Amino acid sequence: AQKVTQAQTEISVVEKEDVTLDCVYETRDTTYYLFWYKQPPSGELVFLIRRNSFDEQNEISGRYSWNFQKSTSSFNFTITASQVVDSAVYFCALTPFGGSQGNLIFGKGTKLSVKP
Amino acid sequence: DAGVTQSPTHLIKTRGQQVTLRCSPKSGHDTVSWYQQALGQGPQFIFQYYEEEERQRGNFPDRFSGHQFPNYSSELNVNALLLGDSALYLCASSLNQGIHGYTFGSGTRLTVV
Repeated sequence: AQKVTQAQTEISVVEKEDVTLDCVYETRDTTYYLFWYKQPPSGELVFLIRRNSFDEQNEISGRYSWNFQKSTSSFNFTITASQVVDSAVYFCALTPFGGSQGNLIFGKGTKLSVKP
Repeated sequence: DAGVTQSPTHLIKTRGQQVTLRCSPKSGHDTVSWYQQALGQGPQFIFQYYEEEERQRGNFPDRFSGHQFPNYSSELNVNALLLGDSALYLCASSLNQGIHGYTFGSGTRLTVV
């Protein structure tokens, strides 16, 4: 079975604080993709990152960084110096390589509130 | 370059009725996937259409059906609506069944009363 767990339902921080969103996944596939999406109140899922299971290098994009650890099946997302515009629901998702790539398996999401 | 377009944005239906939701994929994309997102939950995969055929299906009953047209646009049909079908329905388009990632629309908010 494949599963994505985002244990943090809601997080509230004050602007400029750093915040880490946790993601733990389960899969029996040896090759897979992991994703993070942002969902603002408008409802559209905004793509943030895709990482394949072969690449465990951490990635940084501006204030965003991702830590992928295959040994602990985790793919955590950190926002540095958070801003009010970062307020949204963030989803971690998993999909296997190959024929089932259309099937994104999402966690339940973490609602991030950044207060001024 | 238009992204994924979904219509309508909001819809209210009565139990037992039927509904059709529409999705136009991002320009250049040939694959459409549909997801159901209940309030406070993550999106759940309904099915995927590629080359006008249903290629994969999630754990949804036969009341949920779809279609893809030659221009790659897609429809999601739900028959015999239940109160539990109330949700945000998201369409995601991609190229060649998602090998390069997915672009999501803003969704259709369906309320069943």
